[in-house]
Amino acid sequence: AQKVTQAQTEISVVEKEDVTLDCVYETRDTTYYLFWYKQPPSGELVFLIRRNSFDEQNEISGRYSWNFQKSTSSFNFTITASQVVDSAVYFCALSEPGGGFKTIFGAGTRLFVKA
Amino acid sequence: DAGVIQSPRHEVTEMGQEVTLRCKPISGHNSLFWYRQTMMRGLELLIYFNNNVPIDDSGMPEDRFSAKMPNASFSTLKIQPSEPRDSAVYFCASSPAEGGIYEQYFGPGTRLTVT
Repeated sequence: AQKVTQAQTEISVVEKEDVTLDCVYETRDTTYYLFWYKQPPSGELVFLIRRNSFDEQNEISGRYSWNFQKSTSSFNFTITASQVVDSAVYFCALSEPGGGFKTIFGAGTRLFVKA
Repeated sequence: DAGVIQSPRHEVTEMGQEVTLRCKPISGHNSLFWYRQTMMRGLELLIYFNNNVPIDDSGMPEDRFSAKMPNASFSTLKIQPSEPRDSAVYFCASSPAEGGIYEQYFGPGTRLTVT
C-alpha cells in the first residue's frame, strides 16, 4: 500500500535561513511518481515539482531544490535563503499504478518564515 | 489561460439541505479530481474521472455524496442531505493526463459550512 509520511508538522525559521522539508514514502511498485505542492495562506494548492521513479537526478529551481533518494525512499525539499513569502503548508504526494494512480498526499508541513 | 474554476467559493447551509459544488477544469485536461480538506483528515481524494468517466470513487464517504461529469468542461459534487461533519474545503483539480501520473492543477476551493 502506498503511504507518504511528512514527520515535521510545523517548522519555524528566520528569514534567510535554509530549511529542509522531509518526505518519506512507501510503495511496492517500481514505477511511481512523486510530487510537491505548496498551499499558501490563500488556500489554493500550487504544483511545484514532479519526479518519476526512474529519474533520481536532483533538481534545483532558483532557491528550491529537491533530493530524491530511492535507497531511503525519501524525496526531500530544501528552500535556500528562505523568505516570508515561502510561509505555507507544503505537501508531498505519491502516485503509483498499484494504487490505480490515485494520488496520496502526506499530512503536510507548515512552514513559518519570520522576518 | 483560465485555471480550474470552482463555484461557489463559500457555501453556508443548514443540516439536511442539498449542496451542489461546481467545477470547470482546464480546457484540454483529461482527468478531474475532487478532494476534501479538513484539519482532522488532511487532504482526501473523493473521486476522480478520466475522460468524463468515474474511475475510482472509493473515497466518497457515503451515499449522501455523488459526483457527475456530464462533459469535459463541467463536473458537480452533490451532498444530499448535508450534515455538519461535511464542513470542509472541497477542491477540484484537473490534470493533462489520465490518473495521477502528471501534476494536478487545483481550483481555489469551496469552503462549505453546514450548521
